[in-house]
Amino acid sequence: DIQMTQSPSSLSASVGDRVTITCRASQGISNYLAWYQQKPGKVPKLLIYAASTLQSGVPSRFSGSGSGTDFTLTISSLQPEDVATYYCQKYNSAPGAFGQGTKVEIK
Amino acid sequence: EVQLVESGGGLVQPGGSLRLSCAASGFTFSSYWMHWVRQAPGKGLVWVSRINGGGDNTAYADSVKGRFTISRDNAKNTLYLQMNSLRDEDTAVYYCARGMTEGSGYYLFDYWGQGSLVTVSS
Repeated sequence: DIQMTQSPSSLSASVGDRVTITCRASQGISNYLAWYQQKPGKVPKLLIYAASTLQSGVPSRFSGSGSGTDFTLTISSLQPEDVATYYCQKYNSAPGAFGQGTKVEIK
Repeated sequence: EVQLVESGGGLVQPGGSLRLSCAASGFTFSSYWMHWVRQAPGKGLVWVSRINGGGDNTAYADSVKGRFTISRDNAKNTLYLQMNSLRDEDTAVYYCARGMTEGSGYYLFDYWGQGSLVTVSS
């Protein structure tokens, strides 16, 4: 099975900072990569799919890039409401593996 | 408005059984693949199982294969997860989730239920 590895596991940044999270697949997955946001105590929310396509209603400060094995999620200007854990996921085939998550906090 | 509402969670002893339900509304339920995803306390997301729109094509994570059964009743717009031979490590919040694109088998989830907590403990 393909494994998904995120880095870092957690980060702390100031409001307005640019934040980048990396996700690496153990084998190539083309662009079948999604990012989800899970705020504390809440349900996961789809942010980005096809590596770079923003889901409807997601703020434009979120962006995604990459293809093959290496992907990034970028928050261009961190806001207090972005405090959450972010998960990458490959979705083209079973078992739809998720990364272990990156917890984003405000410094 | 798409809504997914889980029910059926609770406390069960190791080796016991439980059936989760997920009532769907706001979309043509039979046209979408549906999934179960779980999250152990303080841990990450793990895909558990999926079923196609017609209910005749299913798949499971290795960790639950042979113990869990996914099914659906399209007349009732309801998804189920029958969980047998439960283990401590099955303790988690179980989410039902809709496959994003109508008729698509991709493991991409655009709507999630609020989750149902299953606790396996003696």
